[in-house]
Amino acid sequence: DTAVSQTPKYLVTQMGNDKSIKCEQNLGHDTMYWYKQDSKKFLKIMFSYNNKELIINETVPNRFSPKSPDKAHLNLHINSLELGDSAVYFCASSQELLAGFAKFFGPGTRLTVL
Amino acid sequence: AQTVTQSQPEMSVQEAETVTLSCTYDTSENNYYLFWYKQPPSRQMILVIRQEAYKQQNATENRFSVNFQKAAKSFSLKISDSQLGDTAMYFCAFMRPGGSEKLVFGKGMKLTVNP
Repeated sequence: DTAVSQTPKYLVTQMGNDKSIKCEQNLGHDTMYWYKQDSKKFLKIMFSYNNKELIINETVPNRFSPKSPDKAHLNLHINSLELGDSAVYFCASSQELLAGFAKFFGPGTRLTVL
Repeated sequence: AQTVTQSQPEMSVQEAETVTLSCTYDTSENNYYLFWYKQPPSRQMILVIRQEAYKQQNATENRFSVNFQKAAKSFSLKISDSQLGDTAMYFCAFMRPGGSEKLVFGKGMKLTVNP
């Protein structure tokens, strides 16, 4: 069973389009995240949600809007896509810190903006 | 702000040998967590090992162990009996507990295990 799943795995689109990436976790975790990995492999957090509430928003452009319909889902919607948005986007989830904290990552979505 | 530094961009090792990946970090916190993540060509991010800063004992997971030197702010990963499947990018990461649960990643290091 997949713990953290993302769809689609690959996304190729034109500049200016709007696209969404979906994420679901079946681990019962309270917290979910979006990370961006750039072409140099550098991973950086974008957003964090805890029980559907936004906790972290790391100076991400307003074109990026996360949406959490329930604590098992955290979707990422991107408006007016730009070339610089091309990257791999990872969803992750985690549980309480004191109980052997760990983050579990999804397989990633490679977004290519042409 | 916390920073994580992986100074070796790339390493290679022969199968069955032991290799050590270095990581240093900078923080003024006393309690925190450190992690090593592996990213194989499949792009999946896989947790390899974690260490709580309040624990003096170095974490071990099968062939993977860490050398945690809190005073030196060093957190190296040792892979024993390297296997071809260990070929991947390895990321060191830091997290401060409480408040925001941000993982701060290093830039990663590409490890190649040669047959």
